[in-house]
Amino acid sequence: GESVGLHLPTLSVQEGDNSIINCAYSNSASDYFIWYKQESGKGPQFIIDIRSNMDKRQGQRVTVLLNKTVKHLSLQIAATQPGDSAVYFCAEKPPYNQGGKLIFGQGTELSVKP
Amino acid sequence: ETGVTQTPRHLVMGMTNKKSLKCEQHLGHNAMYWYKQSAKKPLELMFVYSLEERVENNSVPSRFSPECPNSSHLFLHLHTLQPEDSALYLCASSRDRNPSGNTIYFGEGSWLTVV
Repeated sequence: GESVGLHLPTLSVQEGDNSIINCAYSNSASDYFIWYKQESGKGPQFIIDIRSNMDKRQGQRVTVLLNKTVKHLSLQIAATQPGDSAVYFCAEKPPYNQGGKLIFGQGTELSVKP
Repeated sequence: ETGVTQTPRHLVMGMTNKKSLKCEQHLGHNAMYWYKQSAKKPLELMFVYSLEERVENNSVPSRFSPECPNSSHLFLHLHTLQPEDSALYLCASSRDRNPSGNTIYFGEGSWLTVV
């Protein structure tokens, strides 16, 4: 089975509100994490990444938080817009000596209400 | 525009047909990948190529046959597929295969329907 999972399969937010999408990972040795956005009918699009030596990284309107103690990753989207509606999924990367292949979660569907 | 281009975007094929999916990356990357995405399931890694050499085959049935003629192009040859092979097939590339911080960039995918 997959080691990366999401707490909520769907999330509905009002336009302008902040969104928080969560992800649990299982390999405490994973050293790199990525969030992807996948719009309907399109391929996954890189949003933001974070290495395990960091606990927070900010991008444009997005912030990723990494809590290694509880093996938890979150994606925060500020001032959510209708164009943010998509499936978001995280991926963890175990170290090379443990395979080194990205492991993807199932995804959370974010729906933004105007 | 992700720098990874896949064709065709949609393909319908019969179980006795032979077809190919094509992928081209314009990012100067050394590693290329094929993933399968089925409804409500995580991405499944199928094949990994590094510098045109296949370095990983994730127990994929032989009816899927990859080809990597150079570091910019990747093909997935399809023959005698089954209806359960219907899915979105995603090509991806990355600078190198293993180092951390090595983001994988995806194409838009090829929607395959086997009838």
